[in-house]
Amino acid sequence: GQQVMQIPQYQHVQEGEDFTTYCNSSTTLSNIQWYKQRPGGHPVFLIQLVKSGEVKKQKRLTFQFGEAKKNSSLHITATQTTDVGTYFCAVDRGSTLGRLYFGRGTQLTVWP
Amino acid sequence: NAGVTQTPKFQVLKTGQSMTLQCAQDMNHEYMSWYRQDPGMGLRLIHYSVGAGITDQGEVPNGYNVSRSTTEDFPLRLLSAAPSQTSVYFCASSYTITPNTEAFFGQGTRLTVV
Repeated sequence: GQQVMQIPQYQHVQEGEDFTTYCNSSTTLSNIQWYKQRPGGHPVFLIQLVKSGEVKKQKRLTFQFGEAKKNSSLHITATQTTDVGTYFCAVDRGSTLGRLYFGRGTQLTVWP
Repeated sequence: NAGVTQTPKFQVLKTGQSMTLQCAQDMNHEYMSWYRQDPGMGLRLIHYSVGAGITDQGEVPNGYNVSRSTTEDFPLRLLSAAPSQTSVYFCASSYTITPNTEAFFGQGTRLTVV
């Protein structure tokens, strides 16, 4: 089954509005990664969070890792049509083998 | 630098046929994996490899085989295709596995089983 719950599954926003997607785990995570997949494309790595309470920014994107390392969020300020796509979080089980498990993703639609 | 190359991009199979999806990377990555993507299900791990000669199962391994004879190549074999295996398949590689590093994905193979 899924290692992380990602919500919402879909989000439709008007250009200029903000967007947030959340990933939640029942167990403590060693780290979490975020990926973006454009329609018809392949997942592309955005960022990795490792430390408790970590916050990282990439232009209009803000990534947070919860203090308990059980949840994470991706926030986009003032969405643009170029932000369209599906955003995935990905985690490992913390084992030495480091298998990467993906959430089900949040599909973002932005209309002008 | 080609990155991760998957072939073919599209494939239609009849039920019961077998085929191999090819994946090659030129980044000298240790870790390679196969995912399938179905609508609303995200990416589910099929098989993975932590180095040449070493493979293991992921979440949904049934109906698929893998081998890793070289660092560069990680083919995925469908033994007897079933309509339930209709999906988009992605191969990914990363430099190391502990801790996780950035995974690079191929362009995907869209497989239809009729």
